[in-house]
Amino acid sequence: SSELTQDPAVSVALGQTVRITCQGDSLRSYYASWYQQKPGQAPVLVIYGKNNRPSGIPDRFSGSSSGNTASLTITGAQAEDEADYYCNSRDSSGNHLGWVFGGGTKLTVL
Amino acid sequence: EVQLVESGGGLIQPGGSLRLSCAASGFTVSSNYMSWVRQAPGKGLEWVSVIYSGGSTYYADSVKGRFTISRDNSKNTLYLQMNSLRAEDTAVYYCAREGIAVAVEQKVMMEGWYFDLWGRGTLVTVSS
Repeated sequence: SSELTQDPAVSVALGQTVRITCQGDSLRSYYASWYQQKPGQAPVLVIYGKNNRPSGIPDRFSGSSSGNTASLTITGAQAEDEADYYCNSRDSSGNHLGWVFGGGTKLTVL
Repeated sequence: EVQLVESGGGLIQPGGSLRLSCAASGFTVSSNYMSWVRQAPGKGLEWVSVIYSGGSTYYADSVKGRFTISRDNSKNTLYLQMNSLRAEDTAVYYCAREGIAVAVEQKVMMEGWYFDLWGRGTLVTVSS
């Protein structure tokens, strides 16, 4: 099956911009989706498709992709954005039909 | 209200079986792709299984042959039958609804799959 690689941890100063990246071969064929997870809570979808935000997600969250890399950008990070972030895409390897998640990035807002 | 509610988790001995349920409200399970995703303590998310709206099912290699996903349309409920449980199956199990967004990039159609609705999860602990 395919793999998606994320940096384990990223930090950002309050109000600054941060980019969280996700690399994998499947991203050449499929858009990534991005999830925010806070301790003890279920994941929440924040970005999907080319660059779509579900209702209720602030517009400081945006997504982009190029080649085998997808990025989640938070423009003007807030304290409440501190969380784990996971990317996800369809698994495009061989006959394997499933989905794959990145290992997650822990975002710290300083 | 649109929601998913999991149940059925608990403490089970290695080699045992457990059936998880995921009751949906506000939408129809059989009209959607529905997945199970798990998260071991302190670890990341791992996709486990999917059932398509047409009924096809697929599994992660780690659970293939041991887990079975199904649904009861009359109860609007998703299930995960887990057999031959191992310590490494210990995790919070979430059910999730899937969607797809499509866009054209340089004349190539790209799909973007996503999980837009999650339950709160149910904890499965496999231990003697």
